[in-house]
Amino acid sequence: NAGVTQTPKFQVLKTGQSMTLQCAQDMNHNSMYWYRQDPGMGLRLIYYSASEGTTDKGEVPNGYNVSRLNKREFSLRLESAAPSQTSVYFCASRVDRVDEKLFFGSGTQLSVL
Amino acid sequence: DAKTTQPTSMDCAEGRAANLPCNHSTISGNEYVYWYRQIHSQGPQYIIHGLKNNETNEMASLIITEDRKSSTLILPHATLRDTAVYYCIVRPLIYNQGGKLIFGQGTELSVKP
Repeated sequence: NAGVTQTPKFQVLKTGQSMTLQCAQDMNHNSMYWYRQDPGMGLRLIYYSASEGTTDKGEVPNGYNVSRLNKREFSLRLESAAPSQTSVYFCASRVDRVDEKLFFGSGTQLSVL
Repeated sequence: DAKTTQPTSMDCAEGRAANLPCNHSTISGNEYVYWYRQIHSQGPQYIIHGLKNNETNEMASLIITEDRKSSTLILPHATLRDTAVYYCIVRPLIYNQGGKLIFGQGTELSVKP
């Protein structure tokens, strides 16, 4: 049982390049989330998807787009990367039932030069 | 969702109890208190949650004051592996909804030998 899987683990981009961060969960969870974490700061919510086919903005959505491809997969796209997007990105998923634990992936370290 | 206030950092001696406070004075009646922790370079990990009764599991105990305006996470016998950032979050439990979870700055707990 893999849980939440993020790819890639590390990525270096040049300013203006685009890329997609992939996230997949095998726990049949309805909700999925993308967070970023900058050095010395807490987690900030970028986008979330309450269920397949829906997405909503979080605290810091500018510069990002998301796609909830199916129930398992939730991708985060940077269309034109900027140095301010250098961060560690975490994907998470949650079952929408009484037990509301969030399960996190191991993160993607992204550097934009 | 109600905001939370936590101390920026705390120290604890190995083998002693670690008591991590959280202030949530604007908490609503339907909001739960959740605790997560993040060990360096890893994704956050769920610890425990509660509404108004004290809760205990294999990882920790959660004590919520009678007026619910504050809570304390207790690690009964802290080990070096408990060194992490601990996040306190409050939000409502809504069945089958995938509302956003927002993490604050958290408390950096250092367990020392």
